[in-house]
Amino acid sequence: GAVVSQHPSRVICKSGTSVKIECRSLDFQATTMFWYRQFPKQSLMLMATSNEGSKATYEQGVEKDKFLINHASLTLSTLTVTSAHPEDSSFYICSAYNHDAGGQYFGPGTRLTVT
Amino acid sequence: AQSVTQPDIHITVSEGASLELRCNYSYGATPYLFWYVQSPGQGLQLLLKYFSGDTLVQGIKGFEAEFKRSQSSFNLRKPSVHWSDAAEYFCAVGPFTGTASKLTFGTGTRLQVML
Repeated sequence: GAVVSQHPSRVICKSGTSVKIECRSLDFQATTMFWYRQFPKQSLMLMATSNEGSKATYEQGVEKDKFLINHASLTLSTLTVTSAHPEDSSFYICSAYNHDAGGQYFGPGTRLTVT
Repeated sequence: AQSVTQPDIHITVSEGASLELRCNYSYGATPYLFWYVQSPGQGLQLLLKYFSGDTLVQGIKGFEAEFKRSQSSFNLRKPSVHWSDAAEYFCAVGPFTGTASKLTFGTGTRLQVML
């Protein structure tokens, strides 16, 4: 139990385009999901907290107009990187909070490369 | 402010040897502590967690961790390391509020296993 999926696992896009990443909790409902960014050989940096049915809460320094988060259902949150630039290239990981298990469960991550 | 320190950036052990990964935290309230493991290019997998009760916590894959309040530590141990344990290990701390709250991660310890 407590499986979280992400799609796509890898994506390459051209500078200026937008990319959508999906995060799904497969066997539990998650009112709260989190989006992280991880640079090579570094720890996870929390970008935002996504709450079902309400606006996301962004961490300081994260541009909410650039990283659009939608949490429309109890099993799906999406992160859209708008007008992507090469500096947005990174590993994006989502997690979903499982209330019954009492913890965050992570997706496998999405490698974004902007050319 | 909460913080997590993993003093060892990189550790190398021989297969079959014992392992201890260090984690120290700074937290103003009762902490909720986690250890996660990340294989290259993958998301994070929860190894174990601690909030209360027995200070020695058993996790998956033969790992255990001991909470020592007096030392503000939550070190991860394994009696006999397997080559498949080579990965990045992250310690994390968060509040236990009964609802989802964001975690603070350490910078990680990369484990290399020599055959």
